[in-house]
Amino acid sequence: GAGVSQSPSNKVTEKGKDVELRCDPISGHTALYWYRQSLGQGLEFLIYFQGNSAPDKSGLPSDRFSAERTGGSVSTLTIQRTQQEDSAVYLCASSFLQAVNIQYFGAGTRLSVL
Amino acid sequence: EDKVVQSPLSLVVHEGDTVTLNCSYEVTNFRSLLWYKQEKKAPTFLFMLTSSGIEKKSGRLSSILDKKELFSILNITATQTGDSAIYLCAVEDNSGYALNFGKGTSLLVTP
Repeated sequence: GAGVSQSPSNKVTEKGKDVELRCDPISGHTALYWYRQSLGQGLEFLIYFQGNSAPDKSGLPSDRFSAERTGGSVSTLTIQRTQQEDSAVYLCASSFLQAVNIQYFGAGTRLSVL
Repeated sequence: EDKVVQSPLSLVVHEGDTVTLNCSYEVTNFRSLLWYKQEKKAPTFLFMLTSSGIEKKSGRLSSILDKKELFSILNITATQTGDSAIYLCAVEDNSGYALNFGKGTSLLVTP
């Protein structure tokens, strides 16, 4: 596609439910990143994929968070047993080469946990 | 811990004014600094700066980096209402992937 695509754009869920967020990066981009943007805060790095592997998962806030990427393309971020503090905008970005790391962002998924 | 600080946090100006947004950083093994504009949705890329003292310019927007004093500024001249947005500064270290973001400057340009 022309840009990074994320779905759904909005998600409302009840506390304790699992949610799955999807990111479709720009075609040909090998690197993919997930960030979280909470109200009044900067973007917080969660995880990075190079191809299908995730060399750095250190930004994931807890073991309720996991992510995978298949076929070097689409990625899903899963949050199990959601809590109210998980409410935020989850942004995905992709980039072509690490050497020139201009990351292009999707519009994000706004998650609201009631 | 790496840190990126933007100032001011918010700013209201009139159309036609010139604004300067600031970004200071403390990042181990600096590699590059990036500016993004975030309106309602996706942050959109503005500039990437790697070398000190070289101004990047695009229309009414320009930016410069000072690696000795560890800061960057983003200038917008002759502001328009369409410039209203959150401007994000991010610094890349030599990990080669993670961007460290500041909290952003929220700019409102009034008619």
